[in-house]
Amino acid sequence: NAGVMQNPRHLVRRRGQEARLRCSPMKGHSHVYWYRQLPEEGLKFMVYLQKENIIDESGMPKERFSAEFPKEGPSILRIQQVVRGDSAAYFCASSRRDGGNEQFFGPGTRLTVL
Amino acid sequence: DAKTTQPPSMDCAEGRAANLPCNHSTISGNEYVYWYRQIHSQGPQYIIHGLKNNETNEMASLIITEDRKSSTLILPHATLRDTAVYYCIVRVESGGSNYKLTFGKGTLLTVNP
Repeated sequence: NAGVMQNPRHLVRRRGQEARLRCSPMKGHSHVYWYRQLPEEGLKFMVYLQKENIIDESGMPKERFSAEFPKEGPSILRIQQVVRGDSAAYFCASSRRDGGNEQFFGPGTRLTVL
Repeated sequence: DAKTTQPPSMDCAEGRAANLPCNHSTISGNEYVYWYRQIHSQGPQYIIHGLKNNETNEMASLIITEDRKSSTLILPHATLRDTAVYYCIVRVESGGSNYKLTFGKGTLLTVNP
């Protein structure tokens, strides 16, 4: 069973560009969560999605950030007009059901904004 | 969710038991204690969780005090690959916004040869 897959693993963008991060959940999982980890800090919840629905985006900045989980294909976290403060590791997790006692995490995407 | 307190770092000799403490004095009756770990440059990995009884799985044991205000994660025979940041998280099992895992700074466990 493949685990949660994220790509790219490393992404470098210049200020003002767009960053697009992808997450494929584990097989059989229909719940996806995105977290951000700033340097030397713990992970912070950003958004929770089910197929075609955003359940909770309370942890996501209201501007420049958006997330989707289409019926087909991976979940996408999109950051428009990136700034240096967006440099962080972005982790995706998935679970089989709502809440999910066990959220399985992907390896993360490390975004560096120059 | 209740707040947790963990020591910032601990050392352990390879082959010995690693005992990682966590204080959660404001835990509610319906909140579980979860442990995750994050090996450098990887995503967090679920280890174990429990409500009030002690729990054991292939990775670790979880000892929760009778008053539930603290717990200890035990790695019985630590290896070098157990070097990681260990996070203690308190959350309800279902309902509300229990899906929001709240990670503090955790304990950096260093297993030494």
